[in-house]
Amino acid sequence: KAGVTQTPRYLIKTRGQQVTLSCSPISGHRSVSWYQQTPGQGLQFLFEYFSETQRNKGNFPGRFSGRQFSNSRSEMNVSTLELGDSALYLCASSSGGPGARGDNEQFFGPGTRLTVL
Amino acid sequence: AQKITQTQPGMFVQEKEAVTLDCTYDTSDQSYGLFWYKQPSSGEMIFLIYQGSYDEQNATEGRYSLNFQKARKSANLVISASQLGDSAMYFCAMRVPNAGNMLTFGGGTRLMVKP
Repeated sequence: KAGVTQTPRYLIKTRGQQVTLSCSPISGHRSVSWYQQTPGQGLQFLFEYFSETQRNKGNFPGRFSGRQFSNSRSEMNVSTLELGDSALYLCASSSGGPGARGDNEQFFGPGTRLTVL
Repeated sequence: AQKITQTQPGMFVQEKEAVTLDCTYDTSDQSYGLFWYKQPSSGEMIFLIYQGSYDEQNATEGRYSLNFQKARKSANLVISASQLGDSAMYFCAMRVPNAGNMLTFGGGTRLMVKP
């Protein structure tokens, strides 16, 4: 069974540009969550999509957005990039829907490392 | 809101010895799950072990065990017989069912295993 894949793995952008990151979950999983990891702020939850609907959203500005397609693949977009957006962006896939068991495991992808110059 | 605190930014352990990584948590929810993840330098988060708030037994997975003390709100990870490959960042995380699959992470502990 293939794991979670994220593309691209590395990305370099300049301030003001926009970027789109992609995540393909494990086959059969309908939940995709996104996290931002920085040395200063640690791991922070961005949003979760389940069956094409955003189910939960973290405390990030509106420049950060996402969507999920009918095949469960998800994209996140960051517009008007700032230097502080440089981070490792991790995607996690899960089979759990609403009311899932507490041990509903999240399977993480390798991440996309974004550098904003 | 949930909060996870890991008070050890970095730790050394001698190869083949046991090590305990601390984690305390705070939540008003009665039902919650606690997770430990390992993150090598490659960046991928690797699931290690899970403990549910209603589980009476401490969780164990091979060389990993979780010392769950509910009254003290602590969920420490114990790694027995450390190996060089255990050198990595370790994160404690919490999930509450009414927040979907969102995980709240602690700041992490960098473990370094000495030969």
